Amino acid sequence: QQPVQSPQAVILREGEDAVINCSSSKALYSVHWYRQKHGEAPVFLMILLKGGEQKGHEKISASFNEKKQQSSLYLTASQLSYSGTYFCGTDAGSARQLTFGSGTQLTVLP
Amino acid sequence: DTAVSQTPKYLVTQMGNDKSIKCEQNLGHDTMYWYKQDSKKFLKIMFSYNNKELIINETVPNRFSPKSPDKAHLNLHINSLELGDSAVYFCASSQGRGQPQHFGDGTRLSIL
Repeated sequence: QQPVQSPQAVILREGEDAVINCSSSKALYSVHWYRQKHGEAPVFLMILLKGGEQKGHEKISASFNEKKQQSSLYLTASQLSYSGTYFCGTDAGSARQLTFGSGTQLTVLP
Repeated sequence: DTAVSQTPKYLVTQMGNDKSIKCEQNLGHDTMYWYKQDSKKFLKIMFSYNNKELIINETVPNRFSPKSPDKAHLNLHINSLELGDSAVYFCASSQGRGQPQHFGDGTRLSIL
């Protein structure tokens, strides 16, 4: 079953912060986050494994609440280059494959 | 060096034809995947494959078949193409479950 992402779209000014949420109805082995720019391939951002860990890479970080089967992606002090569609992909154990959410379109304006 | 490469980049063909898309990865990964991305950008897994096991998403029509001549290649063959097959098809690879997936640039398939 497809994870639910929210919001569907968000528009920011440069320097503002954003949070993208991903929730699943199934117990998760891991959550992946990818960014896709228009006409390009999805690019890996980070993976969170069960255990409630939080990861970060410069101004982009993510958390995973294993009990609630939810993950959030945090983008701080957004840059123009952050624009794109963000996908969460969930690995729900038995499927051993990623099921992607419908994506969140992020637009950063100057 | 291109990590995951797909050919062709664009494929325009008529309904009813049979076509193949090739994928090669030079990352030494054990697992390869095929995804379909429709016009609404919904990214859907079709197959995952390593040298031991093929996992097929149950919603994929049997007109679609993956073929892997070796660990570095996973080609996608499509029989009797239909209008609804128009989409972007992405190949990806990873070192295994719980590892990052690296995507190819995609093949844009248009059915006339």
